[in-house]
Amino acid sequence: GAGVSQTPSNKVTEKGKYVELRCDPISGHTALYWYRQSLGQGPEFLIYFQGTGAADDSGLPNDRFFAVRPEGSVSTLKIQRTERGDSAVYLCASSPSNTGELFFGEGSRLTVL
Amino acid sequence: QKEVEQNSGPLSVPEGAIASLNCTYSDRGSQSFFWYRQYSGKSPELIMFIYSNGDKEDGRFTAQLNKASQYVSLLIRDSQPSDSATYLCAVNTGGFKTIFGAGTRLFVKA
Repeated sequence: GAGVSQTPSNKVTEKGKYVELRCDPISGHTALYWYRQSLGQGPEFLIYFQGTGAADDSGLPNDRFFAVRPEGSVSTLKIQRTERGDSAVYLCASSPSNTGELFFGEGSRLTVL
Repeated sequence: QKEVEQNSGPLSVPEGAIASLNCTYSDRGSQSFFWYRQYSGKSPELIMFIYSNGDKEDGRFTAQLNKASQYVSLLIRDSQPSDSATYLCAVNTGGFKTIFGAGTRLFVKA
């Protein structure tokens, strides 16, 4: 497809479980971002990749959150020992440049029971 | 102080009127400024970006930037009911991190 693809679109899990969220960016976009959005709030920055490396992971809330992009394309956000407060929509965006023009996927809605 | 501040609204305007959305930011080193539109249940969509002081027009949309006042605005002329959405101001603070405000909800009444 032409846009950013995120899977799953919805994930319901129990407190304490491990979750993986996947993002397939627009072909040719070297920059990839993960954001988290709670109801009524703007997207909250989590991590930015330029190529394979995490150029800025300052937004990851704690060490339960980790993201990888091993081949510089698809990225996976991993959340260990999920907590109810992790419930949110996790948005992935890619960009053709480093200027902030972001193209978002439809998001993965995570619900932790 | 939040890095990017917006009035949460809702801002209600009649169809055909001008909607004015405002945003302030805290980091004086910020270089790039963006407006995203987000419909309910959907992801944000880029509608405007501006890098230099002054105005930038694109169709019914005008973005305005005043770096001295750390202020960005978006004007929507001839507002339509289909413009009803949340408008997110975003600022690139350098180092490629883009920070979003909480958004302003706009309602355009037919």
